Amino acid sequence: GAGVSQTPSNKVTEKGKYVELRCDPISGHTALYWYRQSLGQGPEFLIYFQGTGAADDSGLPNDRFFAVRPEGSVSTLKIQRTERGDSAVYLCASSVQGAGDTIYFGEGSWLTVV
Amino acid sequence: LAKTTQPISMDSYEGQEVNITCSHNNIATNDYITWYQQFPSQGPRFIIQGYKTKVTNEVASLFIPADRKSSTLSLPRVSLSDTAVYYCLVDVSGNTGKLIFGQGTTLQVKP
Repeated sequence: GAGVSQTPSNKVTEKGKYVELRCDPISGHTALYWYRQSLGQGPEFLIYFQGTGAADDSGLPNDRFFAVRPEGSVSTLKIQRTERGDSAVYLCASSVQGAGDTIYFGEGSWLTVV
Repeated sequence: LAKTTQPISMDSYEGQEVNITCSHNNIATNDYITWYQQFPSQGPRFIIQGYKTKVTNEVASLFIPADRKSSTLSLPRVSLSDTAVYYCLVDVSGNTGKLIFGQGTTLQVKP
């Protein structure tokens, strides 16, 4: 597709379960970002990839959160031992190379932990 | 990190021009000013970006005074579909390009 694609669009999981959220960036974009957005708040930065490597993971809240991008394209955000406070919209974004480039967002994956 | 301040909410009516002002007193010399729009249940969408003076595109205009301590996003003749949250961003962190969002301005356009 032409834009950033995220799956699933909605996910309900039980507390303590493991969750994976997938992001397919715009073709050819080397920079990829994950954000988390809670109700009524602006998006909060989690992690930035340049190619296959996580160049900035300063926004990951704790070690239950992990993200990979093994081939420099698709990325997966992994959340272990989910907690109710993890409920949020998880947004993926990409840009051509990073700094100075327009960042394009996907529609997000809505995660609800019950 | 440069911090932005913008109104939490604004109301307008269809057909009016809307101006949303953002304060960024600590903007750095190399920071650009970028505005994003977010509709409910969607990711943010780039609207416009500028460094100084005035920038105009098919969606909006951005006015930046000489001291760059504030900026104003101008939406001409708004319609109901312009109801959204508008974010002003000035921090291009390091060489990553990551965006630091505030709470944004919720614009409600009424008929």
